[in-house]
Amino acid sequence: KAGVTQTPRYLIKTRGQQVTLSCSPISGHRSVSWYQQTPGQGLQFLFEYFSETQRNKGNFPGRFSGRQFSNSRSEMNVSTLELGDSALYLCASSLGGSGGVYEQYFGPGTRLTVT
Amino acid sequence: AQKVTQAQTEISVVEKEDVTLDCVYETRDTTYYLFWYKQPPSGELVFLIRRNSFDEQNEISGRYSWNFQKSTSSFNFTITASQVVDSAVYFCALSEATAAGNKLTFGGGTRVLVKP
Repeated sequence: KAGVTQTPRYLIKTRGQQVTLSCSPISGHRSVSWYQQTPGQGLQFLFEYFSETQRNKGNFPGRFSGRQFSNSRSEMNVSTLELGDSALYLCASSLGGSGGVYEQYFGPGTRLTVT
Repeated sequence: AQKVTQAQTEISVVEKEDVTLDCVYETRDTTYYLFWYKQPPSGELVFLIRRNSFDEQNEISGRYSWNFQKSTSSFNFTITASQVVDSAVYFCALSEATAAGNKLTFGGGTRVLVKP
């Protein structure tokens, strides 16, 4: 079974621009979560989507948004980029569903650099 | 609010030594899940184990073992007879079952360096 894939793997953007990152989950997984990893703040939860609905959200400004499509693929968007948005963005997929907490499988990440 | 603390930021050992990584968590929930992930230099987080709060049995998987102690809110991880390939950053994480969906709260990670 193919793992979680993320595109692009590397991205360089300028302050003020916007960016869209893409994630394809493991086949059969309906939950997709996004995390930001920085040296200063570590791994932080951004949001989770399940069946095209945002089910959970972390403490990030509204510039960070996401969506999920009917095939479970997900995108996250960051508008008006700031230098502090430079980070490794990790996508994780899991079976999802209600009544349980499932292990999440992570993709290789997208390394975003904002200049 | 939930919190995970990994007090050891970096551990350096020589190959074949055992290494234990500490993880202490805080949560108000009675039902929760604990995880360990490995992040090698390539950057991808690799799932190692999931344990729910009702299962306090220790677990062993090859050279890896986990010690879950609810009384001290700890979920420690031991690598026995370490190898160079074990060099990575290891993260402990917590997810509360009462929260909608899946949300992992990670500790700061422990970098393990295994020298030949």
